[in-house]
Amino acid sequence: AAGVIQSPRHLIKEKRETATLKCYPIPRHDTVYWYQQGPGQDPQFLISFYEKMQSDKGSIPDRFSAQQFSDYHSELNMSSLELGDSALYFCAIRGRRTGELFFGEGSRLTVL
Amino acid sequence: QKEVEQDPGPLSVPEGAIVSLNCTYSNSAFQYFMWYRQYSRKGPELLMYTYSSGNKEDGRFTAQVDKSSKYISLFIRDSQPSDSATYLCAMGNNAGNMLTFGGGTRLMVKP
Repeated sequence: AAGVIQSPRHLIKEKRETATLKCYPIPRHDTVYWYQQGPGQDPQFLISFYEKMQSDKGSIPDRFSAQQFSDYHSELNMSSLELGDSALYFCAIRGRRTGELFFGEGSRLTVL
Repeated sequence: QKEVEQDPGPLSVPEGAIVSLNCTYSNSAFQYFMWYRQYSRKGPELLMYTYSSGNKEDGRFTAQVDKSSKYISLFIRDSQPSDSATYLCAMGNNAGNMLTFGGGTRLMVKP
C-alpha cells in the first residue's frame, strides 16, 4: 500500500534557527503536498510539487522553502524560526480519486 | 468567515450511540468531499470520500452530501471508544488537490 514516511518525527529548535523536514513517498510518487497544522487547528495547505516542479502555493511564509528531488522525496526548509511555527507538518500524496490525499504521520516541530 | 465551518465540540457520547458530525461550506465550487479521522499527534486518516450528493455507506460509517444546502454529514453507528478522535471534513474543487478543511470536531465515546 502507498504511504508517506516523514522525518524527523519530532524536532525541537530555538527561535531564529533553521529546520529541515523530509518526506519520502512510498513508492515514488510524482506529487507531494505539505500541510501545517497548528495546535487545535485544521491543516493548512503550504505548497505542492508535481514532477519536481512547484505546482501550487498556499499560505507558506517567505521564510519557508521546499523542493522535490530527482528521487521524488521532498524537503521543507524553514529559516528564522518563530514561536508560531510550532506545529505538526504533514506531507501528503495524491490518491487515485480527484482530491484524495493520504497523509504521513507528520513531523512535530517545537520552537522554543 | 471560513469557507468550511465545523462545530469543534467536544462531543461526548456513550458507547453504542449514533454520532452525527456536520460541516457547512460556502464555496459552491467544491465538488468532492472527504472525512478524515485524526488521533492525537497522528496524521489524518481518510475515512470517507464522496463526489456527489447523496449517501455513501462503509461499515458503521455513512457520509451524506447535500450540495444544494452546502451541508455534509458523517454518521457513525454503534460508536466505540476507539472512535474517539478528531474528525475533520475536507473538500476541494477540480482545480487541484488543495483541500480546505473544517476545524475538526473532537469526539469522545465513553465506555
